[in-house]
Amino acid sequence: GENVEQHPSTLSVQEGDSAVIKCTYSDSASNYFPWYKQELGKGPQLIIDIRSNVGEKKDQRIAVTLNKTAKHFSLHITETQPEDSAVYFCAASWYNNNDMRFGAGTRLTVKP
Amino acid sequence: NAGVTQTPKFQVLKTGQSMTLQCAQDMNHNSMYWYRQDPGMGLRLIYYSASEGTTDKGEVPNGYNVSRLNKREFSLRLESAAPSQTSVYFCASSDGVTSGGLETQYFGPGTRLLVL
Repeated sequence: GENVEQHPSTLSVQEGDSAVIKCTYSDSASNYFPWYKQELGKGPQLIIDIRSNVGEKKDQRIAVTLNKTAKHFSLHITETQPEDSAVYFCAASWYNNNDMRFGAGTRLTVKP
Repeated sequence: NAGVTQTPKFQVLKTGQSMTLQCAQDMNHNSMYWYRQDPGMGLRLIYYSASEGTTDKGEVPNGYNVSRLNKREFSLRLESAAPSQTSVYFCASSDGVTSGGLETQYFGPGTRLLVL
């Protein structure tokens, strides 16, 4: 089955700096890669996703890049703000398969 | 819309006791899921229901059963709780593959379970 690895497990940045979180996956058939943000005491919330037919997607300060050849994808947050502090999860799944696999999570802290 | 709701929010059980975690969604989604979240391990899929009337095992189904009561509700049952089932449980829903492969999942707030 699919195996997703996520790095780093913790990340601390100064407000205004950029943050990058990286994930690798094992199943070359995977074609859907979402990123979730989880705030303390809440359920994960989708912040951005990418499908295998594109290499990059942006939404304001957030971007995701995908390298299918190398089987890795990354989340980029620019101009970080204290409210970006949370745990971020990457995930991977393939079409017609409901069995999505998640990375172990990255705890991002943005210092004011 | 309330989205995905879960009850209870917290529960303490003794080893061997049984309980059912409830989940409901009001987004008319076809697919529903149960995950557990443990420190350092992300979310792991327990069971899912791709559509009303169907259920399938996920990555960690042992010790659990599920029921897709109707399109809105999907329950998770622990027949004989064990300390290893201490975790935070999340329910999620999505349009699912029957709606053109839209796999985006929407999560509930979670149930924190402690088994002593």
